[in-house]
Amino acid sequence: AQSVTQLGSHVSVSEGALVLLRCNYSSSVPPYLFWYVQYPNQGLQLLLKYTSAATLVKGINGFEAEFKKSETSFHLTKPSAHMSDAAEYFCAVSFIQGAQKLVFGQGTRLTINP
Amino acid sequence: EAGVTQFPSHSVIEKGQTVTLRCDPISGHDNLYWYRRVMGKEIKFLLHFVKESKQDESGMPNNRFLAERTGGTYSTLKVQPAELEDSGVYFCASSQGLSRGYQETQYFGPGTRLLVL
Repeated sequence: AQSVTQLGSHVSVSEGALVLLRCNYSSSVPPYLFWYVQYPNQGLQLLLKYTSAATLVKGINGFEAEFKKSETSFHLTKPSAHMSDAAEYFCAVSFIQGAQKLVFGQGTRLTINP
Repeated sequence: EAGVTQFPSHSVIEKGQTVTLRCDPISGHDNLYWYRRVMGKEIKFLLHFVKESKQDESGMPNNRFLAERTGGTYSTLKVQPAELEDSGVYFCASSQGLSRGYQETQYFGPGTRLLVL
């Protein structure tokens, strides 16, 4: 069965430091990968998505993610954290076969320390 | 352009009562999805409409949940009777409905926070 794992339910970094949020997937068919962000009291907003074009995907707010098939990973990074990046981040997968539903990871809450 | 809207934003009900959640998708979006996040767990798919038809309802927990999408526009999700384990955040999402649906961005609403006491 297809699944998504986000390593670390809570991640804390200092302002200006590198942000790295990990996402691994399990799938027997080609995946399509998404990162969503949820700010307090808001809905989920798409950060970026991978749909089999370039493996390095750039998103909004300076985030990017790299699809690595050999590692079944799609980690999210940002070179320099900003206080406004504090939010919960979700990795999600959809698959070419079957239904169009998204399968989500558990979410990672990112805290930025001044 | 207005985003996905959901009503109410919060609902507190007692066990055994009925609650109806509403979702208005982005205008022109054929696909409408319902998801739920129970406290401390991942967001899970409930069901998927294409226009007014249920495309996939494999995630619906049991027959206490009834979803409708009248005329292919807004959707309602009714829980009757509500149980304690139904508490959580219910998200609605919509997408355009192009040919490669698995690649489409799903646009999410802010969610309805349901608490069953």
